[in-house]
Amino acid sequence: EAGVAQSPRYKIIEKRQSVAFWCNPISGHATLYWYQQILGQGPKLLIQFQNNGVVDDSQLPKDRFSAERLKGVDSTLKIQPAKLEDSAVYLCASSLGPYNEQFFGPGTRLTVL
Amino acid sequence: DAKTTQPNSMESNEEEPVHLPCNHSTISGTDYIHWYRQLPSQGPEYVIHGLTSNVNNRMASLAIAEDRKSSTLILHRATLRDAAVYYCILRDPNSGGGADGLTFGKGTHLIIQP
Repeated sequence: EAGVAQSPRYKIIEKRQSVAFWCNPISGHATLYWYQQILGQGPKLLIQFQNNGVVDDSQLPKDRFSAERLKGVDSTLKIQPAKLEDSAVYLCASSLGPYNEQFFGPGTRLTVL
Repeated sequence: DAKTTQPNSMESNEEEPVHLPCNHSTISGTDYIHWYRQLPSQGPEYVIHGLTSNVNNRMASLAIAEDRKSSTLILHRATLRDAAVYYCILRDPNSGGGADGLTFGKGTHLIIQP
């Protein structure tokens, strides 16, 4: 069974530029999550989707971050404009449904200069 | 989610058992205890979870104290591939209306010596 796919794996941008990350969850997984992991810390939830609807985006900085999950499958996370403190690994995870085991992708490492 | 406390790091020798502790003194009656681990340069992966009784699977065992205020993840025979950050997380399936994002702390960095 294929795992959660993410791209790109690495991205370097300058502050105030925009960037987008893509996630393809495990087939059949209705729930999709985006996490941000700053160096030395545990991952922090940014947003949770159930199919193509948002369940929880309470920790998403909505002035600069946006996410969508069209057709309830793939998802994109966008940052516009990026700040230095956005440098982190962005992890996508999926699960069959809420409260099931979450499967994580390899992450996208973002460096903002 | 209720808070958990774990040691920052632990060291063990290869092929020996490892006991990773987690304190969760404010756990509620409906909180499940979950463990995830994160190998270097990878996303976290599920290890095991339980509610009250001890649990075993192919990766590890979970021992839960009778009062549920602490638990221990047991790796029976550690290998170099078990070197990772281990996270103890509480999840209540009865809360949040479906919002179940994992709340990660800093976890325990497990070092395995050959």
